[in-house]
Amino acid sequence: KQEVTQIPAALSVPEGENLVLNCSFTDSAIYNLQWFRQDPGKGLTSLLLIQSSQREQTSGRLNASLDKSSGRSTLYIAASQPGDSATYLCAVEGGSEKLVFGKGTKLTVNP
Amino acid sequence: KAGVTQTPRYLIKTRGQQVTLSCSPISGHRSVSWYQQTPGQGLQFLFEYFSETQRNKGNFPGRFSGRQFSNSRSEMNVSTLELGDSALYLCASSSPDPGVYEQYFGPGTRLTVT
Repeated sequence: KQEVTQIPAALSVPEGENLVLNCSFTDSAIYNLQWFRQDPGKGLTSLLLIQSSQREQTSGRLNASLDKSSGRSTLYIAASQPGDSATYLCAVEGGSEKLVFGKGTKLTVNP
Repeated sequence: KAGVTQTPRYLIKTRGQQVTLSCSPISGHRSVSWYQQTPGQGLQFLFEYFSETQRNKGNFPGRFSGRQFSNSRSEMNVSTLELGDSALYLCASSSPDPGVYEQYFGPGTRLTVT
C-alpha cells in the first residue's frame, strides 16, 4: 500500500528565506505527483503537478522536482513571503486510490 | 470557468442520522473524487466516479456511499452517523482530456456530528 511522508511537519522561517519541503513515497509506480496548498479551514489549491516521466516543474517562485526511482519529491519556495504561510501537501496518483496524501508541512513565514 | 462547488458548506448532525453532500465539478470534467480530512488521519480517499460509474473505492465502511448523475454532479451519503465521521469532506474533479491529470478541489463541506 502506498504511503506518503512529508518532512518536516512544521517549519517557521523569516520572510525572504528560500526553503525546501520534502515528500517521500514508498511505491515508485506512480502516474504523477501533485503539490497542493491548504489555508486553514479551506479546500486545496493545486500548485504544481509532475508527471511520472518528468523531473521537475516550475511556477513563479515555486519549483518541484521528482525522483521516482528513489521515491522523493521536493518543493522549493524562493524568497518566501508571509502570504506563503499555509499547509503544503503532496499527493501521488497510482494504484486503486485516486490520490494518496502526506500529512502535510505547516509553513509559517514571519514578517 | 467556475470552480468545483460543494453544498452545503457546513452541516451539524446528530449521531445515528444520515447526511447527503453534493459536489458540482468544473464544467466538462467527468471524474469526481471524494476525500475525508481529519486532524488525526489527514486526507483519505473515499471513492471516485467517472461517467456515473464508481471507478475506485477507498477503505471506508459501507455506510459511506456515493453516486454520480448524468451531468457529472456527484453526491455522497453517510448513513448512521458516528462521532468519528466529523470531518472536512472534499471533492475534486479532473478533466477527461488525454494527458491532463490535475485534480481541482472544492472548498469542502464541514460536517460536525454531535
